[in-house]
Order: sequence, then structure tokens, then C-alpha cells
Amino acid sequence: GESVGLHLPTLSVQEGDNSIINCAYSNSASDYFIWYKQESGKGPQFIIDIRSNMDKRQGQRVTVLLNKTVKHLSLQIAATQPGDSAVYFCAEKRETSGSRLTFGEGTQLTVNP
Amino acid sequence: NAGVTQTPKFRVLKTGQSMTLLCAQDMNHEYMYWYRQDPGMGLRLIHYSVGEGTTAKGEVPDGYNVSRLKKQNFLLGLESAAPSQTSVYFCASRRAAANYGYTFGSGTRLTVV
Repeated sequence: GESVGLHLPTLSVQEGDNSIINCAYSNSASDYFIWYKQESGKGPQFIIDIRSNMDKRQGQRVTVLLNKTVKHLSLQIAATQPGDSAVYFCAEKRETSGSRLTFGEGTQLTVNP
Repeated sequence: NAGVTQTPKFRVLKTGQSMTLLCAQDMNHEYMYWYRQDPGMGLRLIHYSVGEGTTAKGEVPDGYNVSRLKKQNFLLGLESAAPSQTSVYFCASRRAAANYGYTFGSGTRLTVV
């Protein structure tokens, strides 16, 4: 069935390293993708988004890459900091779902000092 | 500008009790959503609303009811709470224009004993 999911449930990196969080989706009709960050005890916060007509978008220390050929999305965090420790969700918008977002299960990123 | 505010933040209910979770947004967003988040799972959509006076079912609507009498408020009701409804509930809102991310509240942690 259709799904949005993450390759790895946990990721541990050293402070200062770059982090890459991956996400796979199965619906080629999806036209919009978002990455959210959720810190413990808080609601998800928007990080960055990308439309399906793009393959890369950069923000402050973050880059999202979209590979429509293999239906893969990734979030790259440069120079990871302890404050980046959180659960990261990818979300997908599908036209057939009335523009509602479907969320993946999340990846727990832990940054070690 | 407070964004999305959820009340209460915590609640413990006995099985069979009823309660209402309140979500309020001050951004004049048209769309509002209620999600539940359970350990190891992504956000699952309970109900949503695309405008004042309209509501629709999401993925897991059973056991919940909602109302959107005012544009800024979206209420989630549990008529007869069950232990399976123990979860963290998040409200979100967004503009109706295409490809806008959601703004989330900080969540309500509900325990049904």
C-alpha cells in the first residue's frame, strides 16, 4: 500500500558532523514534502519543505534533497549541534487525500558531544 | 501572536468519562486538524476541518467527535474514554492556499485509566 516511512528509526552522530536522515515514499502523485522537528514534550516544528518540481532546497544548515526517480527524500543537517537532537518526521501531501499531510514514523537523532 | 494553543496540557481520565480538548489559533487559518501520536508511530489524523462549520473524518476517527463552530477554534471530544485513547494529541492549522506547512500546538497528554 501507499506509505511514507523512514529508513532508520535512530541516528547517532558526533557534534560537528553532518547528519543525513532519509525518507521513502511510494506515491508518485505526491507533490509536496515537509520535514518537521519534534523535541521532547513539544509539538512538531516546520524545518523545510520542497515541491515535487524541485530536487534540492537549502535552508539555514539544512538541505532537503528529493529524488523522484527512486521516491526518496533526505534531510541533511550540517555541523550538527546538541540542540538538533530530536525526532525528525517527513510528511507527504497527496492530491488524492484532499491536501492532507501523511506523516512518517520519525527518526530519533541523537547528537553526542 | 500565540500561534496554536491547546488546553489542557495534561489530563487523566477514568474509563467511560468524557472530556473536550480545545484548540485555538490566532493566525486566521482556514484548515485545522487533530492528530494523535503514540510511541513508535507517526502522527495519525483523527478529524480535520477545512472551514467554520465543516468537519471530516481522518484515519482514526472512531471514539472521537469534533466541532468547528468558530474559525479560530477546533474542539475534540471523547464521549466515553477508553484506555486505547491514551495518547498525546496534537492540533495543527494551516492556510488554505496550496503547499503550506502546518503549525502545531504543543500537545495534550491524555491518560485513560
